[in-house]
Amino acid sequence: GAGVSQSPRYKVAKRGQDVALRCDPISGHVSLFWYQQALGQGPEFLTYFQNEAQLDKSGLPSDRFFAERPEGSVSTLKIQRTQQEDSAVYLCASSLARGGTQPQHFGDGTRLSIL
Amino acid sequence: GQQLNQSPQSMFIQEGEDVSMNCTSSSIFNTWLWYKQDPGEGPVLLIALYKAGELTSNGRLTAQFGITRKDSFLNISASIPSDVGIYFCAGQKMRAGGTSYGKLTFGQGTILTVHP
Repeated sequence: GAGVSQSPRYKVAKRGQDVALRCDPISGHVSLFWYQQALGQGPEFLTYFQNEAQLDKSGLPSDRFFAERPEGSVSTLKIQRTQQEDSAVYLCASSLARGGTQPQHFGDGTRLSIL
Repeated sequence: GQQLNQSPQSMFIQEGEDVSMNCTSSSIFNTWLWYKQDPGEGPVLLIALYKAGELTSNGRLTAQFGITRKDSFLNISASIPSDVGIYFCAGQKMRAGGTSYGKLTFGQGTILTVHP
């Protein structure tokens, strides 16, 4: 399809395990965002990429969270030594242009459950 | 993290009724957006507002960007069952120098239920 694709859709991990979440943005989209959505809340910003450059990571909650986009297309969000409070839906969004001049298109998210 | 103040938290209405929801902030936003999210899916953009005072329609949806740039509202006219879902407002700020990375700050959402 032509939309933002995220995988896996669901991930269950034991506390302390590392997880990796993948985002395939819309082809040609320069900007890529990661958001965290807790149950019953709106999404909260985690980090922003412009092509391969991570220009804003102010929303990452701790140094256990790491994101990369090495070739400026696919991005991976990695969470090390997961904790129960990491349980949430992780949303990826992409937009055509730099910054906020074009709408962000969201994927359907990865629902992460930490046991 | 910061979130916008969105109200009401939930609404239960009859099919055919009009709906109004709003969003306020203690700080200025340069762009206001309204999204709808269905269960198990990502948010879908409904309307984007770029200028203070702007009133924009998209079918049965109408949204306005407040003059103070600290609020916005969304109206849905003649609601239908498929309007059911969670509606989120979101704002974007400009960074110093007039640029914006485009990160969105979201409200807590309004859960809309439409009874046939």
